[in-house]
Amino acid sequence: GNSVTQMEGPVTLSEEAFLTINCTYTATGYPSLFWYVQYPGEGLQLLLKATKADDKGSNKGFEATYRKETTSFHLEKGSVQVSDSAVYFCALDSNSGYALNFGKGTSLLVTP
Amino acid sequence: EAQVTQNPRYLITVTGKKLTVTCSQNMNHEYMSWYRQDPGLGLRQIYYSMNVEVTDKGDVPEGYKVSRKEKRNFPLILESPSPNQTSLYFCASSPYRTADSPLHFGNGTRLTVT
Repeated sequence: GNSVTQMEGPVTLSEEAFLTINCTYTATGYPSLFWYVQYPGEGLQLLLKATKADDKGSNKGFEATYRKETTSFHLEKGSVQVSDSAVYFCALDSNSGYALNFGKGTSLLVTP
Repeated sequence: EAQVTQNPRYLITVTGKKLTVTCSQNMNHEYMSWYRQDPGLGLRQIYYSMNVEVTDKGDVPEGYKVSRKEKRNFPLILESPSPNQTSLYFCASSPYRTADSPLHFGNGTRLTVT
């Protein structure tokens, strides 16, 4: 079946550091891939998405590239801010079912 | 403001006492869904609804019921709650259930069953 694996957290970084959160997936066919972010006390919200291989999704300085050859969708940001502290979820949509498959989430804490 | 509204935000109850968590969206979305979020397990889908009067089980439906009598509302019902249903619950909606229709989430309901 479809599944998403994210790196374990928590991840603690200093402000302006480079961020990478790894995400790999298992799926048949050609899934769409997403990153959602959950700020403290809130629901998840879409951060970025990519719907086909080699697409790059970007938003708020975050980027992720859909790599079919390595079945990966790693999230990156060049310079994190304290306000980026949140839980980040990688998700997969198989385009043939009715649910997204979410990873377990990676908690990010950015310190001043 | 376009939003998904869940109530209550926090709920403490005892084993066996029926409860309902409400969910309402004002975006005329056809698709609605319930998830539970547990440490180390991420988000797991409980039930979903493709449209009015159409509901189906997700990955972890045991112990839950839902109904979709109106497009905007999708309540989650626990007929006889048990401690293993202590969790953080999220309602979500989207215009349709396709990859081009990302989910909009409510702010969550933290349920504790003692």
